[in-house]
Amino acid sequence: QVHLQESGPGLVKPSQTLSLTCTVSGGSISSGGYYWTWIRQHPGKGLEWIGNIFYSGSTYYNPSLQSRVTISVDTSKNQFSLKLSSVTAADTAVYYCARYHSGSWAFLDYWGQGTLVTVSS
Amino acid sequence: VVLTQSPGTLSLSPGERATLSCRASQSVSSSYLAWYQQKPGQAPRLLMYGASIRATGIPDRFSGSGSGTDFTLTISRLEPEDFAVYFCQQSGSSSYTFGQGTKLEIK
Repeated sequence: QVHLQESGPGLVKPSQTLSLTCTVSGGSISSGGYYWTWIRQHPGKGLEWIGNIFYSGSTYYNPSLQSRVTISVDTSKNQFSLKLSSVTAADTAVYYCARYHSGSWAFLDYWGQGTLVTVSS
Repeated sequence: VVLTQSPGTLSLSPGERATLSCRASQSVSSSYLAWYQQKPGQAPRLLMYGASIRATGIPDRFSGSGSGTDFTLTISRLEPEDFAVYFCQQSGSSSYTFGQGTKLEIK
């Protein structure tokens, strides 16, 4: 059973950089066919795809966030990370990491529990 | 691709049938259309993928259908644990989007 767990500060000041890490257990992040994904959900709202990364390092970023987002992977630690720069209150959200299965079908099959990040001074 | 779900809120009683709609702004491959269920304080859970394939452990009262721009999630007989928010999601042409969600509430 694959398990994902987000970690990082729950409070970030405006204009600073939000940094989160997702630790994957129960499976290798280097397994082919999966993209490791960050998604966020503003309070009481829908889901927004932030971006994803393949174990080789190739990335996709949501065009609306692309200028501020960096996703990286550390296969030795079985982790991937999110950095979102120049944050504002609009970046306050629950941030989820998830595994995206890509192949004949495409879907998010495993999710972390989510972590609330609040942007406030 | 913009996904529009309707209705925004659906009020039904246990035992009733629920029909949730997901309409895409342009054609989506059925292979890349998925549905998720989210309960308060929890992460979304995969329900359906390939538009009509139930994920592991999902009861057969859940079914999915559709193609092109119109997709439907049907719950044949609502159980108390089915009242939640449901999202559709598409992947295609290097874009990934969710619908805004349908809240299924107890009438």
